[in-house]
Amino acid sequence: RKEVEQDPGPFNVPEGATVAFNCTYSNSASQSFFWYRQDCRKEPKLLMSVYSSGNEDGRFTAQLNRASQYISLLIRDSKLSDSATYLCVVRDTGRRALTFGSGTRLQVQP
Amino acid sequence: EPEVTQTPSHQVTQMGQEVILRCVPISNHLYFYWYRQILGQKVEFLVSFYNNEISEKSEIFDDQFSVERPDGSNFTLKIRSTKLEDSAMYFCASSEWDREMNTEAFFGQGTRLTVV
Repeated sequence: RKEVEQDPGPFNVPEGATVAFNCTYSNSASQSFFWYRQDCRKEPKLLMSVYSSGNEDGRFTAQLNRASQYISLLIRDSKLSDSATYLCVVRDTGRRALTFGSGTRLQVQP
Repeated sequence: EPEVTQTPSHQVTQMGQEVILRCVPISNHLYFYWYRQILGQKVEFLVSFYNNEISEKSEIFDDQFSVERPDGSNFTLKIRSTKLEDSAMYFCASSEWDREMNTEAFFGQGTRLTVV
């Protein structure tokens, strides 16, 4: 049973494209939701938290659907520097441990 | 910008040997964590530590593992008798105290452990 499930990709998109990643989580008690970015052989870095009402940070928009237990990330106007693996991460109620998805790899091409 | 630092960046050890991975969390953070990532797999939680004791651990964190905060700055992960399957990238992380548990966890750059 996968707790956090993501399409592994890779997503190969041209510069300037819009790309969307989806994620589902299995524990309805999950409380906090995040998108992390991980470059090859590097540490995960927080991209953005995901709030119930949806939130935007520049070219990045995150959405949460608690009823469907579904999280999404939209990247507009893709840059070469966006090439990385995007990790969907949840934290369950009362816990500090983060549960990571396996990640979706994005390759932005010139 | 404050950061979590880990040493060494790469450790090679023989099966059955003990290893200690070291971390210096961000100075005003109160929660410390170890995660691991086997090559090609997802990041997995091992243990969290608060107020000088383990607050949470996963099923991976068995009796072979231990954590310690030996002084005011370091946070260590010890693997008592390493196995081949312990080969992975080990990430230390830290976060501030937050009642709602929504604060960001900052990750160190990792220690790549190779057991031969």
